[in-house]
Amino acid sequence: DTEVTQTPKHLVMGMTNKKSLKCEQHMGHRAMYWYKQKAKKPPELMFVYSYEKLSINESVPSRFSPECPNSSLLNLHLHALQPEDSALYLCASSQERGVINEQFFGPGTRLTVL
Amino acid sequence: AQTVTQSQPEMSVQEAETVTLSCTYDTSENNYYLFWYKQPPSRQMILVIRQEAYKQQNATENRFSVNFQKAAKSFSLKISDSQLGDTAMYFCAFMKGRAAGNKLTFGGGTRVLVKP
Repeated sequence: DTEVTQTPKHLVMGMTNKKSLKCEQHMGHRAMYWYKQKAKKPPELMFVYSYEKLSINESVPSRFSPECPNSSLLNLHLHALQPEDSALYLCASSQERGVINEQFFGPGTRLTVL
Repeated sequence: AQTVTQSQPEMSVQEAETVTLSCTYDTSENNYYLFWYKQPPSRQMILVIRQEAYKQQNATENRFSVNFQKAAKSFSLKISDSQLGDTAMYFCAFMKGRAAGNKLTFGGGTRVLVKP
């Protein structure tokens, strides 16, 4: 299984809502990532979990709250978002194995904040 | 901090022809890795090819090959015998070291359109 899955595929939420994005991988990878991607732009790193501990937070606003309950699962909790937070949210995972640490990406969750 | 620059926002190529995408990067690191990722319209981002900085030999994956010029900090991607399925956004990316959890720095992307 070389797949990273993300749910939901699409999410529409109001600025007062609380929602969560979910990411799962069963490749035994020990690093997991959240990226935000605006249209026609490259992904921007938000968070990195390494061995289930938050290792990088790229100064993301606190209305985004990551969680890594176990080595296969990564969540992104959303609360009081702004319309400018509308974007494609990508999850990725990687494992230091062999020569190179390649990141595998999920299909993304397209988020619209009204 | 590392930076990655892709100077061509868009390129088009006829089916079966060859196209070369440019990428330059800036780093003071010696141990790093370079990648080309492909993101088709509304589809998943996938790795096309990768290069270890310590290797002089250019990487090749089927129709995809790179020209890695370490001294010039250049990492171009050549797509040979272009196919309609190659239509996508292509991102060049840099990673320092190879530990799990290292940051991937992306270039701005090049949109490639393959015309029939």
